[in-house]
Amino acid sequence: GESVGLHLPTLSVQEGDNSIINCAYSNSASDYFIWYKQESGKGPQFIIDIRSNMDKRQGQRVTVLLNKTVKHLSLQIAATQPGDSAVYFCAENLNMNYGGSQGNLIFGKGTKLSVKP
Amino acid sequence: EAEVAQSPRYKITEKSQAVAFWCDPISGHATLYWYRQILGQGPELLVQFQDESVVDDSQLPKDRFSAERLKGVDSTLKIQPAELGDSAMYLCASGLGFFSEGYEQYFGPGTRLTVT
Repeated sequence: GESVGLHLPTLSVQEGDNSIINCAYSNSASDYFIWYKQESGKGPQFIIDIRSNMDKRQGQRVTVLLNKTVKHLSLQIAATQPGDSAVYFCAENLNMNYGGSQGNLIFGKGTKLSVKP
Repeated sequence: EAEVAQSPRYKITEKSQAVAFWCDPISGHATLYWYRQILGQGPELLVQFQDESVVDDSQLPKDRFSAERLKGVDSTLKIQPAELGDSAMYLCASGLGFFSEGYEQYFGPGTRLTVT
């Protein structure tokens, strides 16, 4: 799993501010990307996903942006709350036509988000 | 809300002993995954099942690890013999596994293994 990585290992933000978590991927054949949130001692929790034919997708308080030109993925969290404090992972799925397995996700190392009250 | 169940939540074992983990995926999910997560890192896939068949076990250390999903529902991951380097969180996930639905995987709470 070295094809997905994160620019910043830790991010500290003030409550109410917007957070941006970045992720770089190296495999241009990846066709699906997903963000997970993992709280201490728990399994990863799905946040939002995006296919490679899209460049933006919005959810509740979260937005994922995909820039295929520079192979960059970002997660934006609006009005960050203390409950958002966790480690965030991006993951990619390599297209089956390029050697990937259907549904096989490759995870990056994660970014720890700390929200200051 | 349906969840992936795993047991035990915590396991302490001595090296060279055998250990087993159990996973019950969300009902109706054909695809089941076992991951290993070392503290501070992202999950790494060990094995992927589609129903009862192994789809990908290229990262599974087959000399000591085995996994089965005999009836295509719940699954067991076994380590024999356990080594100190096996200490990690073992996560199970399930999903629909069809591209039209996305590759969203739902994770269980994990089993924290400590090998002494």
